Amino acid sequence: EPEVTQTPSHQVTQMGQEVILRCVPISNHLYFYWYRQILGQKVEFLVSFYNNEISEKSEIFDDQFSVERPDGSNFTLKIRSTKLEDSAMYFCASTPGLAGFTDTQYFGPGTRLTVL
Amino acid sequence: AQSVTQLDSHVSVSEGTPVLLRCNYSSSYSPSLFWYVQHPNKGLQLLLKYTSAATLVKGINGFEAEFKKSETSFHLTKPSAHMSDAAEYFCVNGGGNTGKLIFGQGTTLQVKP
Repeated sequence: EPEVTQTPSHQVTQMGQEVILRCVPISNHLYFYWYRQILGQKVEFLVSFYNNEISEKSEIFDDQFSVERPDGSNFTLKIRSTKLEDSAMYFCASTPGLAGFTDTQYFGPGTRLTVL
Repeated sequence: AQSVTQLDSHVSVSEGTPVLLRCNYSSSYSPSLFWYVQHPNKGLQLLLKYTSAATLVKGINGFEAEFKKSETSFHLTKPSAHMSDAAEYFCVNGGGNTGKLIFGQGTTLQVKP
């Protein structure tokens, strides 16, 4: 069964450094998402992406964050200058787009980001 | 506005006994509701979803949930708990025009032998 994959599984970085989290959505899916879960807290929506554009972003998704679909398979989340509070598990998700945004979202296993 | 409240942060049951995980929602439009499960060190797996068809929704691994509009609830149940059901469960409100999912706080299910 096709799966969303994410790399790396764990990323450790120094405060102020740039990080890129990578996701490979399920092939032929059209809608893409990033969420994060700070330890002990809720899963929070960051951004949705369709047709090479951001559809919606949360207030968390400030100018330090960006997303990109650089080719036909990858979907990346870049944090330009990491802060301690960016430490979290980051989940990528995708949907086929058959029912627009109401499709089931399929989640990857997550990347744990630790900012020191 | 959409929101989700999971009424219990932690539920403990004995193996073979019923499971009830409670969820209330609010939505300014017809909701799409989901239950996801997260096992330790794993990603989020869809258990079931409600999208305005049948109000009783059957999911994987024997779980089901009933949509009750009058009570704004979407509780998750299973007749008989198994040890492998121990995990974190999230009630999720979704849909809308951008697909943004709103997660509940999560309920940790402990299953005792």
